[in-house]
Amino acid sequence: DTAVSQTPKYLVTQMGNDKSIKCEQNLGHDTMYWYKQDSKKFLKIMFSYNNKELIINETVPNRFSPKSPDKAHLNLHINSLELGDSAVYFCASSLVSGANVLTFGAGSRLTVL
Amino acid sequence: GNSVTQMEGPVTLSEEAFLTINCTYTATGYPSLFWYVQYPGEGLQLLLKATKADDKGSNKGFEATYRKETTSFHLEKGSVQVSDSAVYFCALSVRAAGNKLTFGGGTRVLVKP
Repeated sequence: DTAVSQTPKYLVTQMGNDKSIKCEQNLGHDTMYWYKQDSKKFLKIMFSYNNKELIINETVPNRFSPKSPDKAHLNLHINSLELGDSAVYFCASSLVSGANVLTFGAGSRLTVL
Repeated sequence: GNSVTQMEGPVTLSEEAFLTINCTYTATGYPSLFWYVQYPGEGLQLLLKATKADDKGSNKGFEATYRKETTSFHLEKGSVQVSDSAVYFCALSVRAAGNKLTFGGGTRVLVKP
């Protein structure tokens, strides 16, 4: 059973399109995250939700909109995709907010053409 | 600000060789330090951690010692196996910054039989 699962694993799309990446965790954790891994492989936090409430919102364009229908799901919707959005996006979860031990999904590689 | 610098890969080794991956950090405050590992096709997972100076984290034959004087947290393993092939990420978190994880760029390790 995959603890943190995200779909799709690969996504290739054209500039200007809107796309979503879904994430689900079955660990019973309260907090979920989205990280972006750039071309230099650095992982940077984008968002964090605790029990469906947004608690971290780093400097991210407002084309990115996270949605948490319940504490086991955190989806990432991206409008008007740009070339610079190409990256690997990782979903993660932790037991509580402020925990520094995270469980990550396998990543979703987004390529914008 | 907080940052983590780790050696760029890939690092290619033969089985039973000694592995060292260097990691240095800058942080405001007193960080906790981590090594995360990403095996092929999987998400990142915690390998080991240390929360104060001179602490040694260890797991699966890997060790890292928190060196405050050199602001380093180098990862070592005495005898690597093919199954250790993965990407290794050094990271830190600072309680005063909400325990957000700051990652290094990752080091890919390839162990050949």
